[in-house]
Amino acid sequence: SQKIEQNSEALNIQEGKTATLTCNYTNYSPAYLQWYRQDPGRGPVFLLLIRENEKEKRKERLKVTFDTTLKQSLFHITASQPADSATYLCALVYSSYKLIFGSGTRLLVRP
Amino acid sequence: DSGVTQTPKHLITATGQRVTLRCSPRSGDLSVYWYQQSLDQGLQFLIHYYNGEERAKGNILERFSAQQFPDLHSELNLSSLELGDSALYFCASSVELSNRYGYTFGSGTRLTVV
Repeated sequence: SQKIEQNSEALNIQEGKTATLTCNYTNYSPAYLQWYRQDPGRGPVFLLLIRENEKEKRKERLKVTFDTTLKQSLFHITASQPADSATYLCALVYSSYKLIFGSGTRLLVRP
Repeated sequence: DSGVTQTPKHLITATGQRVTLRCSPRSGDLSVYWYQQSLDQGLQFLIHYYNGEERAKGNILERFSAQQFPDLHSELNLSSLELGDSALYFCASSVELSNRYGYTFGSGTRLTVV
């Protein structure tokens, strides 16, 4: 079955630095790959979507890359702020229209 | 407010009981998805409905069932509850079947089985 791997260890960075989160998957490539933000006790919030034929997508301070050869997506937050502290989830969409989530990586941005 | 409404926000019930969780999707969205999130499992896909029809099933237990009504709201029924069913249950909606635009999640129902 398809597996999605995100670093289970928290990423702890200084305010102003760039945060880079990794999402790796096994088997075949998804049609779309999405990133969500989740705060404790809240529902995930959709951030960005990238298609399998796209290499990179940007939105304000966010950037997502998608490498189907490496079977990996990188999620970058530039000029990070303490308000960016949250858990970030990678999710993959396949032809059955199911959205499968990774377990998420917690980001802590120190002031 | 995301536009997806889930009720109740919190539910405490005893083992063996049956509960119903309700979800109203964002206006105009035809797809409704149910997810279970527990500490050790992450977000687990349960079931997807599109315009009243079941379209995909995940690891949903036989004790669990769902439906989407003509007004597009959805209900998730959990029966013969066990301690391990304690989790956050999220509903999400999207405008179409193929989900090219991301899901909108509700704030969840926290179920505690005692």
